[in-house]
Amino acid sequence: EPEVTQTPSHQVTQMGQEVILRCVPISNHLYFYWYRQILGQKVEFLVSFYNNEISEKSEIFDDQFSVERPDGSNFTLKIRSTKLEDSAMYFCASVSGDGHPYFGPGTRLTVT
Amino acid sequence: AQSVTQLDSHVSVSEGTPVLLRCNYSSSYSPSLFWYVQHPNKGLQLLLKYTSAATLVKGINGFEAEFKKSETSFHLTKPSAHMSDAAEYFCVVSDNGGFKTIFGAGTRLFVKA
Repeated sequence: EPEVTQTPSHQVTQMGQEVILRCVPISNHLYFYWYRQILGQKVEFLVSFYNNEISEKSEIFDDQFSVERPDGSNFTLKIRSTKLEDSAMYFCASVSGDGHPYFGPGTRLTVT
Repeated sequence: AQSVTQLDSHVSVSEGTPVLLRCNYSSSYSPSLFWYVQHPNKGLQLLLKYTSAATLVKGINGFEAEFKKSETSFHLTKPSAHMSDAAEYFCVVSDNGGFKTIFGAGTRLFVKA
């Protein structure tokens, strides 16, 4: 069974610092997503990525956020200047041709 | 526009009784539909999926769901709840081969002894 991996599993950072969350999607998938889940709350869509560009983004995904696929395998989410409210679990997903999203195990980001 | 509605934010059942978690969707295309379970402080585990094959889908741990196009529903059921089923359940819709994938708000299932 193919799987999506995410690193690190837990990241602690100070407010104002930059963080990069990494994801390795499944190699033959074409659509990639980042979602955020604040503790105890629902899963929120951040951004989708297709053909090396953003296909859709939510209002949460402001100028502090960026995504890229630098080497054709890794898919990264960068937060330029973290805020306390960015503390959450971040899930990456890649989607197969039949629309099946495969989720990574998540990265727990804690901003202090 | 595509949307997913999970009709109950919380469901409470007694152990050994049936479980029903409701999900309705709207979609411009023939959707793929999924149920995921999330145990506390854990990731998202796929329970089952519908991708235009049989409308009654069987998943892991005794769960199943029926795709009803006329009702735009994909409710999750289990004949007999177990304590280990207590978790958050998410209905997910994926449109147009994955171009748009969105989550329902989730339903927290409580199982009483």
